[in-house]
Amino acid sequence: NAGVTQTPKFQVLKTGQSMTLQCAQDMNHNSMYWYRQDPGMGLRLIYYSASEGTTDKGEVPNGYNVSRLNKREFSLRLESAAPSQTSVYFCASSGFIGYEQYFGPGTRLTVT
Amino acid sequence: AQRVTQPEKLLSVFKGAPVELKCNYSYSGSPELFWYVQYSRQRLQLLLRHISRESIKGFTADLNKGETSFHLKKPFAQEEDSAMYYCALISGNTGKLIFGQGTTLQVKP
Repeated sequence: NAGVTQTPKFQVLKTGQSMTLQCAQDMNHNSMYWYRQDPGMGLRLIYYSASEGTTDKGEVPNGYNVSRLNKREFSLRLESAAPSQTSVYFCASSGFIGYEQYFGPGTRLTVT
Repeated sequence: AQRVTQPEKLLSVFKGAPVELKCNYSYSGSPELFWYVQYSRQRLQLLLRHISRESIKGFTADLNKGETSFHLKKPFAQEEDSAMYYCALISGNTGKLIFGQGTTLQVKP
C-alpha cells in the first residue's frame, strides 16, 4: 500500500500560470482533503471532499478549485497562481469525515 | 469559535530532560483532540488521540476540560523526538480537523 501519494513533489510557477496538483489514495477512503502549510500558520484546510461526488470549501479556498475525479483521486487546481500561494500543499484522506487522517508527502510550490 | 493554540513556536531541551508541548483549545462541547508529528523530510502522521488514552513513543497527553488544554508530555526527551508537533481538534459540526500553529521541538545532545 502506497497510502496517499502526491505529484509533483516540487514545482516553480510564474505569477499567472496555472497548474494542477494530483493526489491519490489506495486505502478505499471516502473522505479526502487539501491543506496548505505556512510557517507560523499551521495547516489550513483549503477544500475537502466528504465522499465521492461532493466537495466543500475549507478555511482558505480562494484562488483554488478541486475535482474529486473518483474515489481514489482528488486534485487541486490553481487557475492563476499568485506569490501568496507559495506554500507546501498536503493531501490527506480518511475513512469518513471525522476519522483519523492520513497524509501525503506534500508538494512544495513556489510562485515567483 | 473553534480554535487550537500552541503558544510556543520553538521548544528546545536537552536529551533526557522532560518535555511539555502546550496546546489550548476553544470549543463548545466535548472535543476530540489529536497530536500529529512531522519528522524532518517525512509526512505528517498521527501521534496520539485523547480518546485512546495511549502512550506512543513515551508521549502522553491528558485532556483537561477545566483548563481547555491537551498538553503533550514526555518524561525523558530523546534526540529522535526532534520534529514539528501539531495539536488538532475535530470540529463536531463538520468533522474537519482544526490545527494549531505547530511547535518545533529541538532535542539537543
